[in-house]
Amino acid sequence: AQSVTQLGSHVSVSEGALVLLRCNYSSSVPPYLFWYVQYPNQGLQLLLKYTTGATLVKGINGFEAEFKKSETSFHLTKPSAHMSDAAEYFCAVSPSGGYQKVTFGTGTKLQVIP
Amino acid sequence: SQTIHQWPATLVQPVGSPLSLECTVEGTSNPNLYWYRQAAGRGLQLLFYSVGIGQISSEVPQNLSASRPQDRQFILSSKKLLLSDSGFYLCASKDGGAGTGEKLFFGSGTQLSVL
Repeated sequence: AQSVTQLGSHVSVSEGALVLLRCNYSSSVPPYLFWYVQYPNQGLQLLLKYTTGATLVKGINGFEAEFKKSETSFHLTKPSAHMSDAAEYFCAVSPSGGYQKVTFGTGTKLQVIP
Repeated sequence: SQTIHQWPATLVQPVGSPLSLECTVEGTSNPNLYWYRQAAGRGLQLLFYSVGIGQISSEVPQNLSASRPQDRQFILSSKKLLLSDSGFYLCASKDGGAGTGEKLFFGSGTQLSVL
């Protein structure tokens, strides 16, 4: 079984401030972890993913996330928020090793204040 | 990369009416296909997934069903819609293969309102 918990359904930051969106997961096998972004009335787009190897993963638009096995976390960060970062962000987990189910968290809406 | 075609974009249906949402995929073969429903505060709920033609797995008991008549076609259906079926429905596709960690490609979604 697998699950994802995103702390904070809404996060507000000032433009230029640090963005931190939290994600914790549970998985009975080593996980693959993802962050997706959704703009209003659109599908989701992949920001970044962790499969194996380096635990700090860099994605598009200046975002990065660090896989911490001991904390079962995969938090998303960006050093300086832009207005264009305002969107909803979803963390997702998929078990490695062949099983194809992808489970999403409940999402975090990011508001960027000018 | 893959392209997911999903239609219609918006749909308003009365309670008790049937439903058919279609999704087709370009740019890959033998993908894994998914139907998600997005409701406010609940994130993306996986409804169905399919690893091949005619192979459907249901994640939650509900008023909906899914079919995969062709490799790159995935259909979400209902015989009689309920008010609780309202939501934003997303079709997604992922390249198959064991443990590949490939990303999901999403369609643009269908906003379904059941009145």
